[in-house]
Amino acid sequence: SQTIHQWPATLVQPVGSPLSLECTVEGTSNPNLYWYRQAAGRGLQLLFYSVGIGQISSEVPQNLSASRPQDRQFILSSKKLLLSDSGFYLCAWSVKNQPQHFGDGTRLSIL
Amino acid sequence: GNSVTQMEGPVTLSEEAFLTINCTYTATGYPSLFWYVQYPGEGLQLLLKATKADDKGSNKGFEATYRKETTSFHLEKGSVQVSDSAVYFCAGHGSSNTGKLIFGQGTTLQVKP
Repeated sequence: SQTIHQWPATLVQPVGSPLSLECTVEGTSNPNLYWYRQAAGRGLQLLFYSVGIGQISSEVPQNLSASRPQDRQFILSSKKLLLSDSGFYLCAWSVKNQPQHFGDGTRLSIL
Repeated sequence: GNSVTQMEGPVTLSEEAFLTINCTYTATGYPSLFWYVQYPGEGLQLLLKATKADDKGSNKGFEATYRKETTSFHLEKGSVQVSDSAVYFCAGHGSSNTGKLIFGQGTTLQVKP
């Protein structure tokens, strides 16, 4: 069966520090991959999606970037975090016309 | 472009009450539709889905029928429990090539004993 792993579960970082969040999927090949952000009490905002290795589409201009170095690995990064980057970050995967499946999320707090 | 609109919350019900959370969509064609549930501090879980008009998705006592004529996909449950307290998201496929989903804004449900 397919599984998705996100880490870390919780992260506290100072303003101006770098960021790297990782997401890996097991049990499937060539999935579509997605990064979302959810502000407290709010809905989901799609940040990036990828349909293949090295292929990244950005949905909103921001302080973050994404990379897909391997088929089932998706990384969310920042060189310098802002206070506004705080939130709950969710990774998801899907294949073809099937539903998306989500990881457990990373709660990021910027101090 | 495609859009999904769901009723605003929060919705507060007593245990064993009937639940309806409205969801309507605007789309070119008839995209697959989904309901996701998010429990506090967790990621989203797929609750149910419908892939074509008149399909009924069901799971854990929840149901939703894909109604083409009203472009709706309302979530219903006959008797809610305290454990159903969560945020519910309606979503539809925005693009079949990328699998991108268009999400509603989410509806918070609180069930009181």
